[in-house]
Amino acid sequence: KAGVTQTPRYLIKTRGQQVTLSCSPISGHRSVSWYQQTPGQGLQFLFEYFSETQRNKGNFPGRFSGRQFSNSRSEMNVSTLELGDSALYLCASSLAAGFDRGYTFGSGTRLTVV
Amino acid sequence: GQQVMQIPQYQHVQEGEDFTTYCNSSTTLSNIQWYKQRPGGHPVFLIQLVKSGEVKKQKRLTFQFGEAKKNSSLHITATQTTDVGTYFCAGFTYNFNKFYFGSGTKLNVKP
Repeated sequence: KAGVTQTPRYLIKTRGQQVTLSCSPISGHRSVSWYQQTPGQGLQFLFEYFSETQRNKGNFPGRFSGRQFSNSRSEMNVSTLELGDSALYLCASSLAAGFDRGYTFGSGTRLTVV
Repeated sequence: GQQVMQIPQYQHVQEGEDFTTYCNSSTTLSNIQWYKQRPGGHPVFLIQLVKSGEVKKQKRLTFQFGEAKKNSSLHITATQTTDVGTYFCAGFTYNFNKFYFGSGTKLNVKP
């Protein structure tokens, strides 16, 4: 069974640009959540999608947005990039939404903003 | 705001020694999950606790959920070098509808 796939693995962007990250969940998993990991702030929850609907949202500005497609694949978009957005972005999938079961994480996308 | 605190931040032990990390929440949690992240890797789900006072074991790992569902611990008996990594707790609060990760405890095991 294939795991959670995130693309690209590495990305370098310039401040002010926008970026789109992709996540393909484990087959059969309908919940996809996104996290930002930095040395200073640790792991922070961005949002969760289930059946193409955002179910939960963390405390991030509106520059961070996401969506989920009918095949459960999800994308995360960050507009007007700032230097502080440099981080490892992880997505995780689960059978159902609601954080009542464990999540399987992908290997992440390492975003560097210069 | 509500958040999940985890201590200690770092722990260095000699192989064979025990290790414990603690997770504390300011509000009652619906459940708590534990993850392990190896250096350079991604978090891997270990276990979930749901019931007040619940204790679960996985070989040398013992997980506990407090009676008030505000704290949890992970205890590793007789650590091995394969235990090296950062251990995170993560809790969900229905009343805030939020999912929080603890800051993690980085474990280093000296052979």
